[in-house]
Amino acid sequence: EVQVVDSGGGLVQPGGSLRLSCAASGFTFNMFIISWVRQAPGKGLEWVSAISGSGGSTYHADSVKGRFTISRDNSKNTVYLQMNSLRAEDTAVYYCATVNRGAGYYFEYWGQGALVTVSS
Amino acid sequence: IVLTQSPGTLSLSPGERATLSCRASQSVSNNYLAWYQQKPGQAPRFLIYGASSRATGIPDRFSGSGSGTDFTLTISRLEPEDFAVYYCQQSGDSPYTFGQGTKLEFK
Repeated sequence: EVQVVDSGGGLVQPGGSLRLSCAASGFTFNMFIISWVRQAPGKGLEWVSAISGSGGSTYHADSVKGRFTISRDNSKNTVYLQMNSLRAEDTAVYYCATVNRGAGYYFEYWGQGALVTVSS
Repeated sequence: IVLTQSPGTLSLSPGERATLSCRASQSVSNNYLAWYQQKPGQAPRFLIYGASSRATGIPDRFSGSGSGTDFTLTISRLEPEDFAVYYCQQSGDSPYTFGQGTKLEFK
């Protein structure tokens, strides 16, 4: 059974940093792209970042480019999202999700979400 | 690509048929269009991919159709657990974008 668990959320001041973790099991971890998708309070979904199975390729939305860094440790079946220079508009629930590339690029299995609140 | 979902809210009763629309600002390559269901306080659930293929374990009352710029999610006979928010998502062109959602509520 595939399991995805997000952690590391919390309250941080504007300009601060936070690191989210995504631990996964139940599949061959290093074969899959992992993405982060966020949802601001009462709003829709926004793709944030993605990383290839090997970790050699990373992608970020323009809204977080230069501030967020995605990485992975395949020996620990874990993906990380390092968030720096946080802004109020980064306040959201951050979901980690596996990517299915069978026919397109879809978010198949999701974590429960980690709430990040940026406020003074 | 901007995805516009309609209606914003759909009020129906269990047993009725639900039809949700997703319109793209330009043609979605290869009809790479997916649908997700989200209930309050929960993560989204993957329902449909490639516009019309059901994901693993999704009941056959859920069906997707459409091509190009116009796509539809149909729920043939609503069950109580189907009342939720539904999002479409395109992966025909980067960045991969979501619609703003349609809320399916009890009438």
